[in-house]
Amino acid sequence: KQEVTQIPAALSVPEGENLVLNCSFTDSAIYNLQWFRQDPGKGLTSLLLIQSSQREQTSGRLNASLDKSSGRSTLYIAASQPGDSATYLCAVINTGGFKTIFGAGTRLFVKA
Amino acid sequence: GAVVSQHPSRVICKSGTSVKIECRSLDFQATTMFWYRQFPKQSLMLMATSNEGSKATYEQGVEKDKFLINHASLTLSTLTVTSAHPEDSSFYICSATDRGSYNEQFFGPGTRLTVL
Repeated sequence: KQEVTQIPAALSVPEGENLVLNCSFTDSAIYNLQWFRQDPGKGLTSLLLIQSSQREQTSGRLNASLDKSSGRSTLYIAASQPGDSATYLCAVINTGGFKTIFGAGTRLFVKA
Repeated sequence: GAVVSQHPSRVICKSGTSVKIECRSLDFQATTMFWYRQFPKQSLMLMATSNEGSKATYEQGVEKDKFLINHASLTLSTLTVTSAHPEDSSFYICSATDRGSYNEQFFGPGTRLTVL
């Protein structure tokens, strides 16, 4: 059974700092991995999707990596801004049925 | 990018009534839609997977007679919470998969259900 873990559960950093969010999964038979952002009381915004054959994806100040063999993904946020404050969710899409399993998320607070 | 809408965004109902939530893919055909619920400060829990024209597949522990899902077209799926109780109060979110995008999921804005 696939399990997704995100560390840390919460993070507070000063503005301008580079930071890394971690995601680990137990079953490497994944189809792809997706990082999302969720603001309080809102739905999810897709940030980056990494296919199982890829090792990383970049969008602006965000870079996501994937190491399937070790069951890990990281989300790197460069030069953090107060507007980056949100909960970041990692989701793994399994092969066969394409069921999505979410991690519990990392709550990020960027102080001005 | 692909857009998914949900309606209503917020609903308050009395215990015992039924509530229908709609999920629509606005600019793509979604052969598969997913329904999730999220409790405060917790992550999303998959409730069911809905494929167009067939019965939904429910996750273990989710009552299919209580949470009725209908996926009548490639752009619309509905979730009906029947005989709602206060413990059904939650944030319900749908997502739709665009097969042209490596099964990337696009999420709706969510529906906040409060059962009094």
